[in-house]
Amino acid sequence: KQEVTQIPAALSVPEGENLVLNCSFTDSAIYNLQWFRQDPGKGLTSLLLIQSSQREQTSGRLNASLDKSSGRSTLYIAASQPGDSATYLCAVRVLTSGTYKYIFGTGTRLKVLA
Amino acid sequence: NAGVTQTPKFQVLKTGQSMTLQCAQDMNHEYMSWYRQDPGMGLRLIHYSVGAGITDQGEVPNGYNVSRSTTEDFPLRLLSAAPSQTSVYFCASGRSGQPQHFGDGTRLSIL
Repeated sequence: KQEVTQIPAALSVPEGENLVLNCSFTDSAIYNLQWFRQDPGKGLTSLLLIQSSQREQTSGRLNASLDKSSGRSTLYIAASQPGDSATYLCAVRVLTSGTYKYIFGTGTRLKVLA
Repeated sequence: NAGVTQTPKFQVLKTGQSMTLQCAQDMNHEYMSWYRQDPGMGLRLIHYSVGAGITDQGEVPNGYNVSRSTTEDFPLRLLSAAPSQTSVYFCASGRSGQPQHFGDGTRLSIL
């Protein structure tokens, strides 16, 4: 059974610091991996999607990498800002019983201090 | 562009009551799904649909029903509310291999 883990559960950093969020999964048979941002009381906003054949994706100050063989993905945030404070979740898309489904991690709660 | 719209945003029910959570999307996505989010447990899939007229169970389907009569709408029905169903419910839609889009959620409390 696929399991997705995000460590640490919470992280607090000073403004301007570069940081890395981690996501690990137990089964390398994934079709893609998606990183989301969730603000308090809000839904999830997609940040980056990496297909299984890709190694990384970039959007602005965000860079996500994928290493299927080791079951790991990282989300790199450059020059962090207080506005980056949110919970970041990763999810892997897997084929189960003939249907594609997403399995989510429990998230890393990030606080960027001004 | 409205995206994924969920109603209501908040709801309080008594044990045993029934209700329907509404979800609508205007992006012509074939795939729609319902999740619940509980502290420390991440998002768990309740039910999903790969197109109009097709639904299937996710990880935690007990106590919930869904239907998909149109591409746009995917309502979630609580048959007889229980305190264990207190949660935040999210609806999502998307196309195969593309990013999922989420609604803002429905915060449901069962007394």
